Amino acid sequence: QQQVKQSPQSLIVQKGGISIINCAYENTAFDYFPWYQQFPGKGPALLIAIRPDVSEKKEGRFTISFNKSAKQFSLHIMDSQPGDSATYFCAATGSGGGADGLTFGKGTHLIIQP
Amino acid sequence: KAGVTQTPRYLIKTRGQQVTLSCSPISGHRSVSWYQQTPGQGLQFLFEYFSETQRNKGNFPGRFSGRQFSNSRSEMNVSTLELGDSALYLCASSGGALSYEQYFGPGTRLTVT
Repeated sequence: QQQVKQSPQSLIVQKGGISIINCAYENTAFDYFPWYQQFPGKGPALLIAIRPDVSEKKEGRFTISFNKSAKQFSLHIMDSQPGDSATYFCAATGSGGGADGLTFGKGTHLIIQP
Repeated sequence: KAGVTQTPRYLIKTRGQQVTLSCSPISGHRSVSWYQQTPGQGLQFLFEYFSETQRNKGNFPGRFSGRQFSNSRSEMNVSTLELGDSALYLCASSGGALSYEQYFGPGTRLTVT
């Protein structure tokens, strides 16, 4: 049972454009929603995260929008750059922190065209 | 501060053998989690350790096991390797008992032939 559904599977955006990746979850016990960025040959790197008590969090060019009632959250990358080309994973976990383990989406392969 | 380190980075084993992978967390971090990454199944949680105790385990067979030492370093072991165990094995560390932020190492690429 896939508890976190991520879309699209792949995305091509022009340099300077906005990249948008969406995720939906089923488990209402999830309490923390991070996004990870992974380059080939590297481990996932924590990008930005949100808790369900806020609807939006912004860090530089990266913004998470969170809709608790719809059980959906999304990552927006503003002014996308070729260096942003990577695979992005959304994830979720419960109130146990690291003990609960992260449940990941299947990933989005993002390509920023110069 | 040094990041999460994993050794070895690459490993080739034969079906039926066993393997041990090692992980050193970020200095001061006491929670270590292990994940398996494959093209088909994506990233899947294996287990988590805190203060040498396994607190949670994912949906993997008993061939997958782990342990944590008093210095927070962790090892995972896979016995009786199968072809389907070929994957990138990732270790992540986080600070305290209820810390949410997990920081990943570069992984160990295991190939089973």
